[in-house]
Amino acid sequence: AQSVSQHNHHVILSEAASLELGCNYSYGGTVNLFWYVQYPGQHLQLLLKYFSGDPLVKGIKGFEAEFIKSKFSFNLRKPSVQWSDTAEYFCAVNASGGSYIPTFGRGTSLIVHP
Amino acid sequence: ETGVTQTPRHLVMGMTNKKSLKCEQHLGHNAMYWYKQSAKKPLELMFVYNFKEQTENNSVPSRFSPECPNSSHLFLHLHTLQPEDSALYLCASSQDEAGGYEQYFGPGTRLTVT
Repeated sequence: AQSVSQHNHHVILSEAASLELGCNYSYGGTVNLFWYVQYPGQHLQLLLKYFSGDPLVKGIKGFEAEFIKSKFSFNLRKPSVQWSDTAEYFCAVNASGGSYIPTFGRGTSLIVHP
Repeated sequence: ETGVTQTPRHLVMGMTNKKSLKCEQHLGHNAMYWYKQSAKKPLELMFVYNFKEQTENNSVPSRFSPECPNSSHLFLHLHTLQPEDSALYLCASSQDEAGGYEQYFGPGTRLTVT
C-alpha cells in the first residue's frame, strides 16, 4: 500500500515570497500524483495532477509541481505567493493501473500575510 | 461549485438520534466516496462505491451505514454516534475505477454530536 508524507504541517509566508511544499510517497510502482487545495470555508479542489509525460506540471493560479521519480517526490511550488493563497494543501497519490482510491497526506496549512 | 452537492451543510445531533447525510453528483461519474475530515488529522477514507457497489469499507464502525441507490446519489446513515464522531464529512466522486482520475469534492457536512 502506498503512503504519502507532507513534511511541513504549517507554513507562514509574506506576500511575494516563494513557496515550496514537500510531498514524498512510498510506492514502488507507477503512480498518479495530485495536489488539492482547500481554501477557508470552501471545498477541496484539484490544483494540478501528474499522470505521465513532462514531470513538470503546471496547475491553476500559478502553481506548479515537479515529479522526481528517483526521490519519490512531488513538491508544489509557486514563485510569488499572494494573500489569497492562504489555504490547506493536500498531496495525494494512487497506483497507476491499480486501485483508483488515492492516499492523501495529512495536509499543509499555508498562511500568507499581506 | 464542483458538481457535487451535500445536504445538510451543518448538523447537530444527540447521541441517540438517527440522521442521514446526502450527497449528489451531477458529473456522470461512476465512483463515489465518503471521507471524514477532523482537525489536525489526515483525511480518512470511509467508504467507496463504484457502479453502485461498495468496494471499500475502511474499518468504519457500524453506527455509520452507507447507501448508494444509483451512481448519482450517496447517503450516509448515522445512528447512536459518539462525540468523537464530530467532524466534517466529505463526499467525493470520480470518473471510474480505471485509476488516475481526480476526485471532485462536495462542500461537506459539518457534524456535531452532543
